[in-house]
Amino acid sequence: KAGVTQTPRYLIKTRGQQVTLSCSPISGHRSVSWYQQTPGQGLQFLFEYFSETQRNKGNFPGRFSGRQFSNSRSEMNVSTLELGDSALYLCASSWDGANVLTFGAGSRLTVL
Amino acid sequence: GENVEQHPSTLSVQEGDSAVIKCTYSDSASNYFPWYKQELGKRPQLIIDIRSNVGEKKDQRIAVTLNKTAKHFSLHITETQPEDSAVYFCAAIKDSSASKIIFGSGTRLSIRP
Repeated sequence: KAGVTQTPRYLIKTRGQQVTLSCSPISGHRSVSWYQQTPGQGLQFLFEYFSETQRNKGNFPGRFSGRQFSNSRSEMNVSTLELGDSALYLCASSWDGANVLTFGAGSRLTVL
Repeated sequence: GENVEQHPSTLSVQEGDSAVIKCTYSDSASNYFPWYKQELGKRPQLIIDIRSNVGEKKDQRIAVTLNKTAKHFSLHITETQPEDSAVYFCAAIKDSSASKIIFGSGTRLSIRP
């Protein structure tokens, strides 16, 4: 079966712009979680959606937001981009959100 | 909230030797402990996991041990090979409804030929 698909894979933005990233989970998975990974850093939890509802949120500013659609696809949005937002954004899907996570290949965002 | 500490941050071992990575968690209610491996430029992938009702689990050259009393768990890789070079992340999860999975900071394992 198809894995977790993230688009776009690479993108370059300038400070102040906004960006929307997309994540299509494995068919049947209802949970999608998002992580930020920066060089030398671990996987920083952003938020998790289950059945179109945000169940948990990490310690990121309000500029980071997300949503989930009825088909379980999820998007995350970052507004007013800052240089420090440059990172690899990974999404992961699972059946219930707390067990085995299957990660997508990530969207690498560069903010200039 | 849950906190997971992982050590060491970097580890270099001779090919064929063993490698051990340790994680400590703060919430005694945690009951699921997965390990993910992320090779350079690739996505993290689950390599082994353990639940709180067992103390050890093995899968070929990889094993994970859990000490619930001390609230720590470890990843053991024996007979290391070049393809074991990667960053390894641990996590501790409280229960089936816990969707905020907090990972350790990662261990970069390098295998010397």
